[in-house]
Amino acid sequence: DGGITQSPKYLFRKEGQNVTLSCEQNLNHDAMYWYRQDPGQGLRLIYYSQIVNDFQKGDIAEGYSVSREKKESFPLTVTSAQKNPTAFYLCASQGTNTGELFFGEGSRLTVL
Amino acid sequence: GENVEQHPSTLSVQEGDSAVIKCTYSDSASNYFPWYKQELGKRPQLIIDIRSNVGEKKDQRIAVTLNKTAKHFSLHITETQPEDSAVYFCAASRGGNNDMRFGAGTRLTVKP
Repeated sequence: DGGITQSPKYLFRKEGQNVTLSCEQNLNHDAMYWYRQDPGQGLRLIYYSQIVNDFQKGDIAEGYSVSREKKESFPLTVTSAQKNPTAFYLCASQGTNTGELFFGEGSRLTVL
Repeated sequence: GENVEQHPSTLSVQEGDSAVIKCTYSDSASNYFPWYKQELGKRPQLIIDIRSNVGEKKDQRIAVTLNKTAKHFSLHITETQPEDSAVYFCAASRGGNNDMRFGAGTRLTVKP
């Protein structure tokens, strides 16, 4: 079953802890994205990667880090430096020819 | 970078009426303009897109128009149905694997 998978779906974190969100795709897409969704603010771009071993900051990269060691995987680490990490995080991969974004089901992070 | 603004933030219509959502963008190099629908608790999914070489595109009850000179594009839904109720996002990109920026979203409610 082809697609994009995010895990975990729900995550709770204590203040001061780092947490890593997983994003895996088997669509053979080069580009992958991480967005943060907050009520009334739409989808804000955290990081994106156009190809393996390369990634760029989006609009709200502070307090986050990513890696792209494999084409299929684009994990996002929410560090303790992120001041307001409680949010819904969406990962997406992009169709090479169409430009369409295919989203995962999201990960909801709550900081206790 | 690209900045996408979307209006209105909420829209309520009676079943059978039309709904229009408008977006503006700032980067004149943007050439790909997709629209995504996000139903409650689900991932965003592409419903229609338009590229800068055309001014209008239709798919059954939905249509998108693009005015490159004014840098705005709109989503039109005719004969609305309760299942059209969702949050709609517009987006803009330079195409290819370049970063995609989203508007803040419009919550559409179709009353039966």
